[in-house]
Amino acid sequence: EAQVTQNPRYLITVTGKKLTVTCSQNMNHEYMSWYRQDPGLGLRQIYYSMNVEVTDKGDVPEGYKVSRKEKRNFPLILESPSPNQTSLYFCASSHAKSVAFFGQGTRLTVV
Amino acid sequence: QKEVEQDPGPLSVPEGAIVSLNCTYSNSAFQYFMWYRQYSRKGPELLMYTYSSGNKEDGRFTAQVDKSSKYISLFIRDSQPSDSATYLCAIPSGTYKYIFGTGTRLKVLA
Repeated sequence: EAQVTQNPRYLITVTGKKLTVTCSQNMNHEYMSWYRQDPGLGLRQIYYSMNVEVTDKGDVPEGYKVSRKEKRNFPLILESPSPNQTSLYFCASSHAKSVAFFGQGTRLTVV
Repeated sequence: QKEVEQDPGPLSVPEGAIVSLNCTYSNSAFQYFMWYRQYSRKGPELLMYTYSSGNKEDGRFTAQVDKSSKYISLFIRDSQPSDSATYLCAIPSGTYKYIFGTGTRLKVLA
């Protein structure tokens, strides 16, 4: 089954404690991206990757890092989380100019 | 002006009603248009996509694009409680970039 898998689904952490949200896809897509979804603001792109070792900033990259060492994986790293990073996060993958498939989401709370 | 604008709702309709969901966009160069459906606590899933102007129908769903007005619509006929979700319009703005509307929350009452 084609899917994008994110872990964990829910996470509560404290300010400043580094965390990683994993994302994996099994569709051999070259393109992967991370979004955050906030009420009234919709989906905003954090980072994206066109292929292995190729990443670029989206619209709201501050406070986030990513890496793309393998085609299937695209982890999102928060080196020092802050409360304003409390949000619902989605990973997505696609071929170029094609339909984006989304993961189930990670609800992050930073206290 | 935002590149894509969408009324957030919420929109409540009785079962069986025809629902119209809309987005406007600002860039006349956009050519592909998508609608995603997002159930509560789930990721968005593609519902329909269209290229350029005109209508596309899939069962009870019809996607319509009016490029002259920069207006896209999703119509749901014979709406069901299972259609209750947030609907997001999405436009690919480059090879790898998508612009999403903020989403319209729809509730279909049984």
